[in-house]
Amino acid sequence: AQSVTQLDSHVSVSEGTPVLLRCNYSSSYSPSLFWYVQHPNKGLQLLLKYTSAATLVKGINGFEAEFKKSETSFHLTKPSAHMSDAAEYFCVVSDRGSSNTGKLIFGQGTTLQVKP
Amino acid sequence: KAGVTQTPRYLIKTRGQQVTLSCSPISGHRSVSWYQQTPGQGLQFLFEYFSETQRNKGNFPGRFSGRQFSNSRSEMNVSTLELGDSALYLCASSLALGRRPNTGELFFGEGSRLTVL
Repeated sequence: AQSVTQLDSHVSVSEGTPVLLRCNYSSSYSPSLFWYVQHPNKGLQLLLKYTSAATLVKGINGFEAEFKKSETSFHLTKPSAHMSDAAEYFCVVSDRGSSNTGKLIFGQGTTLQVKP
Repeated sequence: KAGVTQTPRYLIKTRGQQVTLSCSPISGHRSVSWYQQTPGQGLQFLFEYFSETQRNKGNFPGRFSGRQFSNSRSEMNVSTLELGDSALYLCASSLALGRRPNTGELFFGEGSRLTVL
């Protein structure tokens, strides 16, 4: 069965400093992995996705993530945090390892706080 | 292009009542999925519909049901409401699924926030 574990429930950074949100996954298939962001009282928006192409994935708003099979990790990074990055971030794996499904398995989320 | 539209955005019900939530997907999207979001359980998959057929179902009791219409719009229904059903219900749509792989991206609506008293 697929699962994801987000290692931090809350991360606080200062504006202009790097962001690291950690995610480990478990999958018996070659996984499809995603990062979604949710701003307060909003739906979720896709930041980036990995579907077995390049292991370094670039997303929107300067975010990127690296798929490391040996470490079963898919950490999200950004070189310089902006105040508008404050939100809830979800690491997600697609059920059955295929992107060909609407069934996603979500991590518990990481709240990113950005201090001025 | 209009995004995923969910109605109503907010609603309050009492225990034992039933509720119907509506979702209009992005034009051209034929797959609709529903998720429940609560502080304790996080985001959990409810069900997925494609071409009016339920393709996947999450681990929820039979009180939770859904359907999809020929225009891809979807509704979900919760009967005999319980306090624990209070949650944000999110609908997501994606391009046609089936044998062809899609982009893997789900487009989410802003949700329907249900409060059960």
